[in-house]
Parts: sequence; C-alpha cells; structure tokens
Amino acid sequence: DQQVKQNSPSLSVQEGRISILNCDYTNSMFDYFLWYKKYPAEGPTFLISISSIKDKNEDGRFTVFLNKSAKHLSLHIVPSQPGDSAVYFCAASKAAGNKLTFGGGTRVLVKP
Amino acid sequence: EPEVTQTPSHQVTQMGQEVILRCVPISNHLYFYWYRQILGQKVEFLVSFYNNEISEKSEIFDDQFSVERPDGSNFTLKIRSTKLEDSAMYFCASSSDYTGANVLTFGAGSRLTVL
Repeated sequence: DQQVKQNSPSLSVQEGRISILNCDYTNSMFDYFLWYKKYPAEGPTFLISISSIKDKNEDGRFTVFLNKSAKHLSLHIVPSQPGDSAVYFCAASKAAGNKLTFGGGTRVLVKP
Repeated sequence: EPEVTQTPSHQVTQMGQEVILRCVPISNHLYFYWYRQILGQKVEFLVSFYNNEISEKSEIFDDQFSVERPDGSNFTLKIRSTKLEDSAMYFCASSSDYTGANVLTFGAGSRLTVL
C-alpha cells in the first residue's frame, strides 16, 4: 500500500545550495501534507505542512509546494546547512485526528 | 516546549515474552498513535486512539497487540507474545485538532529487540 512515495532514497548537496525533496501520493482524499525530519535514534520532528487548499507554504528556509493535479509535493531547503543532514519524510492524512501515512524517506547529506 | 515522553528507551526481551511500552502524550492533546519503524524501513502506522477507544488500526496491529490509556495521562502499547519480527523502534505520537494541520508530535521512541 504505497499511497505516499519518495522516489529518491538519498540526496547530497553542497552547503549553501538548494535541497529539493520530492514526494508523490495516490490518494486524492488526502487533505494535509507534512514534512518531518528525523535524526538517528530520535523520533520524527515536524518541519512544515500544507493543506490541500494551498499550493505553497513557506517557513524560513523551508518551502513546501503542492501540485494537486499531479499529486506531487516538494520541499525546498535554501540555503542548505550541514545541520540539515537527516532523513526527511513526507506524510499525508485525510483529516485532523487521522493517521499520517509516511513515505519511505530521503536521506539528505549536506556537505560543508 | 511540550513533548511526548516514551519509556523505556530500549528493551531487550526473549521471544514469546510480553512487553509493555509506555508513553506520556502532550497533556491537552486528544488523539494518540503508535507507529513503528523496522530498521531501514518506513515509519508504519499501528493504531490510533481517541475518546478512550481505538479509532483505526492497521493490519500489523493483530490480536497480539493492545493499547490502553489507564489513567488519563499514560498511553501504553502491549505486545502479548513477542516475535523476532517485532524488533523495531516504536514511536508514540499525539495531536490536537487545534492547529488545522494535523501535526503529530512524536516521542523519541522505544527500541525493542526480540531475541
């Protein structure tokens, strides 16, 4: 049941450059889309979200874009910093209080 | 900042033994969840809990699993008879419906190793 997919398992980027992470989903009933960051031996930490009525949400260095017709979202991190090195998970849910369905994650390495 | 607390951080058990993983969700949150992540794999939903009952469960959450909110603050996951394939990180999460974004706050996880 791969309702949320992250096709790139890893991404390497130079410090100061842009990181672009992609996520695709299949369920048109999803209303909320979220990005989480995860360090080893820690729980996922919320980064940024977007609802299905918007196509862009920005918070500091992080911007999420949603293309509903393509069932695609992306996370842009600019500028990338070494502390951004982590696994990033895309997640989606149908409504408040519903479970999140996670993608498989993308491991980001930001090189100094 | 409020956080979700999980204990133990690591538990080693023998196959067939019962295990209880404990969680203290954020105090004003209404929805509670358990997820697990087998090493190198995706974060998988197990169960959600609202208003003192299970609201949704996955195929993974079979009769060997149960959840309880015994005292209004703790939220526990019990595995009755552990199997080798239950070895994973187990994450508790909680959420409110106040943010409008369905943000789940996760604990640091409990690593379960079944020998």
